Amino acid sequence: DGGITQSPKYLFRKEGQNVTLSCEQNLNHDAMYWYRQDPGQGLRLIYYSQIVNDFQKGDIAEGYSVSREKKESFPLTVTSAQKNPTAFYLCASSEAGAYGYTFGSGTRLTVV
Amino acid sequence: GQSLEQPSEVTAVEGAIVQINCTYQTSGFYGLSWYQQHDGGAPTFLSYNALDGLEETGRFSSFLSRSDSYGYLLLQELQMKDSASYFCAVRNTDKLIFGTGTRLQVFP
Repeated sequence: DGGITQSPKYLFRKEGQNVTLSCEQNLNHDAMYWYRQDPGQGLRLIYYSQIVNDFQKGDIAEGYSVSREKKESFPLTVTSAQKNPTAFYLCASSEAGAYGYTFGSGTRLTVV
Repeated sequence: GQSLEQPSEVTAVEGAIVQINCTYQTSGFYGLSWYQQHDGGAPTFLSYNALDGLEETGRFSSFLSRSDSYGYLLLQELQMKDSASYFCAVRNTDKLIFGTGTRLQVFP
């Protein structure tokens, strides 16, 4: 079955450490996105990529970095510069210009 | 700036009809989408409106009025499994901007 896989499901990080969240899709989608969700709030866009080797900042990119070396993969690194990283992170993908996104099951990151 | 406003919470009983409203203010507009998210789960795509009018998909319908920058999601014959958060989202050129979500609680 096609879909998006995010790993790990739960992640604990010590303050000052960088951590990378994985996102892999086998839907052959061109576009991929990273959103952050805080409790009781909506989804805020961190980074997105419309094509391999290219990506754009979203509304809250500070403290995060991404890469898009392969069409299937769009990993997100939460750096130590991110002041409040504890959140639920959602990865999504879509065909170019499509209006419906397919989301992964998310990674819940907790800073301890 | 860009903003989407939704009620924070709506309650209803099984079998009833509920309407979740969404007003938006964005610099660009290419359509309004709706997503459902159960607690701890991934959002799932429900519907999309690019033009004014009503789109129906089973028990769910979505409406858009571009002149009023307004849309709504209509859920009929409510079931307990419809208890979830519902998000409207505006497509702005090449990305979606999401609202803060409406939590729907369905009671027996």
